[in-house]
Amino acid sequence: NAGVTQTPKFQVLKTGQSMTLQCAQDMNHNSMYWYRQDPGMGLRLIYYSASEGTTDKGEVPNGYNVSRLNKREFSLRLESAAPSQTSVYFCASSASSGSGANVLTFGAGSRLTVL
Amino acid sequence: QKEVEQDPGPLSVPEGAIVSLNCTYSNSAFQYFMWYRQYSRKGPELLMYTYSSGNKEDGRFTAQVDKSSKYISLFIRDSQPSDSATYLCAMSAVAGANSKLTFGKGITLSVRP
Repeated sequence: NAGVTQTPKFQVLKTGQSMTLQCAQDMNHNSMYWYRQDPGMGLRLIYYSASEGTTDKGEVPNGYNVSRLNKREFSLRLESAAPSQTSVYFCASSASSGSGANVLTFGAGSRLTVL
Repeated sequence: QKEVEQDPGPLSVPEGAIVSLNCTYSNSAFQYFMWYRQYSRKGPELLMYTYSSGNKEDGRFTAQVDKSSKYISLFIRDSQPSDSATYLCAMSAVAGANSKLTFGKGITLSVRP
């Protein structure tokens, strides 16, 4: 029972390089999210996908693109990495609980360093 | 003013202590309140959630919501070293998997043996 799986766990990039973070969930959730977590800033939403085929911007979308490949997979792409994108990235998925609360299940995170 | 404010910490307590973690918020529309626990170098995991005002208890953990004061708390009784983690509050105004969550910045708790 894997839950939410993120790859890679660690990555070092040079400024200007591109890369894609992969995320897959096996819980049959419709909604998926990408967050970044920085010291003193908490979790900030980058992009989310309410269902297969739809994506929407979150709080900090600049410099990122996403693809909802199918119901299971949601990828995050950095086209031209900048040092300001050094962060820990979390993918999450959700299904509404019985009371309606939006309960997120997070992956283990991907630590990205941009030099 | 940030929508959700959380004591920055860090917080260090001896084993067996009662811990109180708090968040305040400004958006009176928030109705769903959650606490996530995040161990070092791991993803956050849901600890508890409550709807509207009141208390909810789960073992050593109690979540309390006071909507009139826009204040939520998480109490940990008989704290254990295994409770050492970062605790994040989160809240939303509407129900469902597409509702936007607003997170606090998190507070790091250390329970000393």
